[in-house]
Parts: sequence; C-alpha cells; structure tokens
Amino acid sequence: GENVGLHLPTLSVQEGDNSIINCAYSNSASDYFIWYKQESGKGPQFIIDIRSNMDKRQGQRVTVLLNKTVKHLSLQIAATQPGDSAVYFCAEWGNQGGKLIFGQGTELSVKP
Amino acid sequence: NAGVTQTPKFQVLKTGQSMTLQCAQDMNHNSMYWYRQDPGMGLRLIYYSASEGTTDKGEVPNGYNVSRLNKREFSLRLESAAPSQTSVYFCASSDNYALSYEQYFGPGTRLTVT
Repeated sequence: GENVGLHLPTLSVQEGDNSIINCAYSNSASDYFIWYKQESGKGPQFIIDIRSNMDKRQGQRVTVLLNKTVKHLSLQIAATQPGDSAVYFCAEWGNQGGKLIFGQGTELSVKP
Repeated sequence: NAGVTQTPKFQVLKTGQSMTLQCAQDMNHNSMYWYRQDPGMGLRLIYYSASEGTTDKGEVPNGYNVSRLNKREFSLRLESAAPSQTSVYFCASSDNYALSYEQYFGPGTRLTVT
C-alpha cells in the first residue's frame, strides 16, 4: 500500500553543523507534506509544511525541500542546537480520505 | 488557549479492564484524531472524526471505540484492555482548510496494560 518512510532511523550531528533528515513517499497523489518534531515525553509539534506546487519552503533555521520527481522530502536544520535533539516525522496528506499518513521517524542527536 | 488536552496522563490497567481516554480542544477545530505510538515507531491512526457527528476507522481500530461528544471533545474507549494495547495515545485536532492540514497534538496518555 501507499506509505511514507524515512531513509535513516538515527542521525547524530555536532552542535553547529547543519542537519538533513530525509523522507521518501510513495503516493504520487499526495499534495501536502508536514514535518513534525517530537521531544521525549511530549506530543509532536509542527515545524514546517509544504504543498506539492512548491519545491522549497523556508522557516526559521529550517528548510523543507520537495522533489516530486523522485518522491522525496527533506528537512534541513541550520546550525543545529542541542534543543533540536528529538524525533522528526514527515507526514503526507493526499487522497487517503482526510488523514495524515506519518512516517516512522528519525531520531536526531546533537553532540555538544 | 490550552490547545489540545488529554486525561489521564498515565494509566495502568489489568487485562480485561475498561477505560475511557478523554480529549478536548479549544481551537474550534472540525476534525479530531486518536493515534497510538509504540516504542521506536511512528504514529498509527486508530479513529478519526472529520466533523462533529461523524467517526471513521483508521489503520488500527480493533479493540477501540470512539465518541465525538461535541465539537470540542473526542473520547477513546477500551472495552476490554489487552497487553497489546500498552502504548502512548495521542489525540490531535485540525481545521483542514485549504492552506493547511496541520494537526495539533495533545501531550499524550501513557497506558500500561498488565
């Protein structure tokens, strides 16, 4: 069936470096994508979203890139900080009847 | 605004016991959702309510029932708890308007079934 998945389950980076978290999706009809951040013991929090008519969107220290040709989504975090340590999920919205479909998540660990 | 609130925060049940997880949102959102999250895994949709008065099954509905009590509240009931239902349960809500399908999540209920 259609699903959203992540290439890397864990990512460890040095404080100050840039982080890139990847996500592959298989439903070409999906037209909206979200990245969530989940800190330990908390619910997911919205980071940034992007619609399928865009290929790039920037927020504060974060950028989401969408490559529809290869069905790939990435989240770039600039100057990664210890507070960025969390699990990051991508999610897609398409023709699944009013539901977001979540990927498995990537754990980002930031070393001081 | 409190956003999405969930009660209780923690619960321990014995196999066969029943309980209801409560969720409320104060953002006037139309849609509400219940997810479960198992260790090291993503979120799996149990049930959702696209609007007041409607509910639909998600990916893993077996063993659960839901009630959309009104626009604010969406409860999840376990009629006969099983150890396989040990998980963290998240409620979420969204407005689902044309520009954003962002879901706002509650803090979660950590349920252990022994």
